[in-house]
Amino acid sequence: NAGVTQTPKFRVLKTGQSMTLLCAQDMNHEYMYWYRQDPGMGLRLIHYSVGEGTTAKGEVPDGYNVSRLKKQNFLLGLESAAPSQTSVYFCASSQLRDFEAYGYTFGSGTRLTVV
Amino acid sequence: AQSVTQPDIHITVSEGASLELRCNYSYGATPYLFWYVQSPGQGLQLLLKYFSGDTLVQGIKGFEAEFKRSQSSFNLRKPSVHWSDAAEYFCAVGAHSGNTPLVFGKGTRLSVIA
Repeated sequence: NAGVTQTPKFRVLKTGQSMTLLCAQDMNHEYMYWYRQDPGMGLRLIHYSVGEGTTAKGEVPDGYNVSRLKKQNFLLGLESAAPSQTSVYFCASSQLRDFEAYGYTFGSGTRLTVV
Repeated sequence: AQSVTQPDIHITVSEGASLELRCNYSYGATPYLFWYVQSPGQGLQLLLKYFSGDTLVQGIKGFEAEFKRSQSSFNLRKPSVHWSDAAEYFCAVGAHSGNTPLVFGKGTRLSVIA
């Protein structure tokens, strides 16, 4: 049981390049989330999804797009990377039915550097 | 909108000393509260959570936290800190229903000295 898997784990991009971060979960969870973590800022929500085909903006959505074409996958895209998007990105998933017991399941993170 | 405040950015304690990390939240209903720990270069590990019932909750690694509704607080404690507890600690608040995303505090970095 893999839980939440993030791909890639590390990436260096040049300013203006594009890339997609993949989050995959095998727990049949309805909800999925993308957070970014920056020093002194904690985790801030970028986008989230409450089910297949749905997405919603979080606290810091600018410069990112997301898609949830399949229930198990939540993709985070950077169309034109900027140095301000250098961060550690965490994906998480949750299930309403057992949220009380388990809360979120987090991936191990993607460390992105934009130069 | 919910929010979480962790007043202490960085705390240093001696090994064997007691620890208390502060967390204050703002939420319009009964909150669902979490503490996570993150070791350097690692992901987030759930320490403990409060959903309902007994306001003193026990977690892993000898940590506990107390929910005080009147003070809107959920402080994390440990009676005797070990060097391996050096890490960053995050408090988070969410809805009981689980249908709104968790909001995290900015974190408290804990250093442990001999």
